[in-house]
Amino acid sequence: QKEVEQNSGPLSVPEGAIASLNCTYSDRGSQSFFWYRQYSGKSPELIMFIYSNGDKEDGRFTAQLNKASQYVSLLIRDSQPSDSATYLCAVNIETSGSRLTFGEGTQLTVNP
Amino acid sequence: EADIYQTPRYLVIGTGKKITLECSQTMGHDKMYWYQQDPGMELHLIHYSYGVNSTEKGDLSSESTVSRIRTEHFPLTLESARPSHTSQYLCASTPPFSGSTDTQYFGPGTRLTVL
Repeated sequence: QKEVEQNSGPLSVPEGAIASLNCTYSDRGSQSFFWYRQYSGKSPELIMFIYSNGDKEDGRFTAQLNKASQYVSLLIRDSQPSDSATYLCAVNIETSGSRLTFGEGTQLTVNP
Repeated sequence: EADIYQTPRYLVIGTGKKITLECSQTMGHDKMYWYQQDPGMELHLIHYSYGVNSTEKGDLSSESTVSRIRTEHFPLTLESARPSHTSQYLCASTPPFSGSTDTQYFGPGTRLTVL
């Protein structure tokens, strides 16, 4: 079992819809959780991080964390074609110090 | 946010050459990382450093080496480049006193092609 798993893509949604990206992790002691967006050929850019159970909202993005179920999700409201990218979930696994473990990413396409 | 610089951005080089990929940041970040990423594939940590004179190998076996003589500078060196080293190399850093978040900020990357 991989330490960080993301829902397999690619994911395609129409413009204006809600895109839901999911991530599960295996280490119950994980403390911090991150979502990055990566456009093709570019480097990852941080969207947001979350470390407390519940929801965290930033503009059209909402991160949801459920430590009991060991999953973290990212919701993108009012999806735009410019949101089309690969979304990476990253977890600070307790035994890895300050390192992050990345998932394989979910490719999102928002169709106009 | 962080200003992380990587040079060169693109490099095409022949087999057997020695190359150094540069990574620098001016924000005083103590933790720095090197990742390797093939197109459409996941990130693999190859080296990291928690401070000056501290370097560790990552999860992916790599023939590269790194050094951390200055806080702001974390170069990666390949003594003898091979076609299998063709990939994108990403540098990242974490601010000090980041608490429980350990947020990493990435540089623009170096796309390496070894012929």
